Amino acid sequence: EVQLVESGGGLVQPGRSLRLSCAASGFTFDDYAMHWVRQAPGKGLEWVSGISWNSGSIGYADSVKGRFTISRDNAKNSLYLQMNSLRAEDTALYYCAKEDDFDYWGQGTLVTVSS
Amino acid sequence: DIQMTQSPSSLSASVGDRVTITCRASQGIRNDLGWYQQKPGKAPKRLIYAASSLQSGVPSRFSGSGSGTEFTLTISSLQPEDFATYYCLQHNSYPPTFGGGTKVEIK
Repeated sequence: EVQLVESGGGLVQPGRSLRLSCAASGFTFDDYAMHWVRQAPGKGLEWVSGISWNSGSIGYADSVKGRFTISRDNAKNSLYLQMNSLRAEDTALYYCAKEDDFDYWGQGTLVTVSS
Repeated sequence: DIQMTQSPSSLSASVGDRVTITCRASQGIRNDLGWYQQKPGKAPKRLIYAASSLQSGVPSRFSGSGSGTEFTLTISSLQPEDFATYYCLQHNSYPPTFGGGTKVEIK
């Protein structure tokens, strides 16, 4: 059974940093691209970043480019999102999702940026 | 970026009704489109992939159609557990983009 479990969310002040993790199980992690998607409270879904199976191809939404860094550790079956210079508008539930057709999603981790 | 225009943004329907939701892409995306259902407090769940293929375990009352720029999700007979928000997602080209969502409410 595919499982994706996000962690690392919390309350953080504007301008500070946070690192999210996504632990994967139930599939061969290093065979698949992975993505981060976020959802602000009461809003729709927004793609944040994606990474290919070997980290050779990485993409970011314009809204986070230069502030967020996606990475993965295939030996640990884990995906990460380093978020720097956080802003109030980054407040959202952050999901990790498997593969370029987004077939499976985790339950999300909440990031709140507020002073 | 490819824009996905989803309509309607909300609808009210009764149990047993046939419901249709549409997504239009700003340029052709072949059949690289999925449909997702999201219930309050839950993660999105994929219902349809490749525009018209039913995800394993999803009831057959859900169906998808379309290719290119126009896509449709149909619920043939709405059930109580189907009241939720539905999103389309194109993954034909970067960045992947979502439709704005359709909230299906009880009439």
